[in-house]
Amino acid sequence: QSALTQPPSASGSPGQSVTFSCTGTSSDVGGYNYVSWYQHHPGKAPKLIIYEVNKRPSGVPDRFSGSRSGNTASLTVSGLQAEDEADYYCSSYAGNNNPYVFGTGTKVTVL
Amino acid sequence: QVQLVQSGAEVKKPGSSVKVSCKASGDTFSRNTISWVRQAPGQGLEWMGRIISILDITNYAQKFQGRVTITANKSTSTAYMELSSLRSEDTAVYYCVRDAMTTIVDWGQGTLVTVSS
Repeated sequence: QSALTQPPSASGSPGQSVTFSCTGTSSDVGGYNYVSWYQHHPGKAPKLIIYEVNKRPSGVPDRFSGSRSGNTASLTVSGLQAEDEADYYCSSYAGNNNPYVFGTGTKVTVL
Repeated sequence: QVQLVQSGAEVKKPGSSVKVSCKASGDTFSRNTISWVRQAPGQGLEWMGRIISILDITNYAQKFQGRVTITANKSTSTAYMELSSLRSEDTAVYYCVRDAMTTIVDWGQGTLVTVSS
């Protein structure tokens, strides 16, 4: 199973929006409604911010939103804040034998 | 939500084994499934296997079959991941995660395992 493809970096100024993608195949991203996104500040535990393509766990600001078109999922961070600077990983369910495939990660920089 | 606290960093020799622990709190441990995910330096995240505590069932990624063993002690709410026949390519940060079977919900803080002679 190949990793999901993410751009290595994305950036924006405070208050702006940034969107980046996560491309897989019909066997993962396009085949199941189980795409998740995680925010990872180095040295801390990653945090779930989007699940089932576009749902937010309790406590996650609505500045974070997810979507999907075909085999490509996207994460949008609106109203960028300094604390949004982190690594972001997507993940998709990919079936029982090897249930999770992960993205390569996108480093978001707040300029 | 479940808090997952992992054991500390390890340095191991090639050919040896490592056992990493993951203590869960905040929810009923026996109802949860715990998976292990690793990230080697400069590499992506990789699912290794899981234990479905309530059923005492494990399944492992084919890549790690025969080398990884995941166990759980319900009385102490602690899961363990043991990886044997270590090689330099196993140098990575190992995470325990709470697995909702289609989504990874919570992550431990990670344990760095360094394999070096």
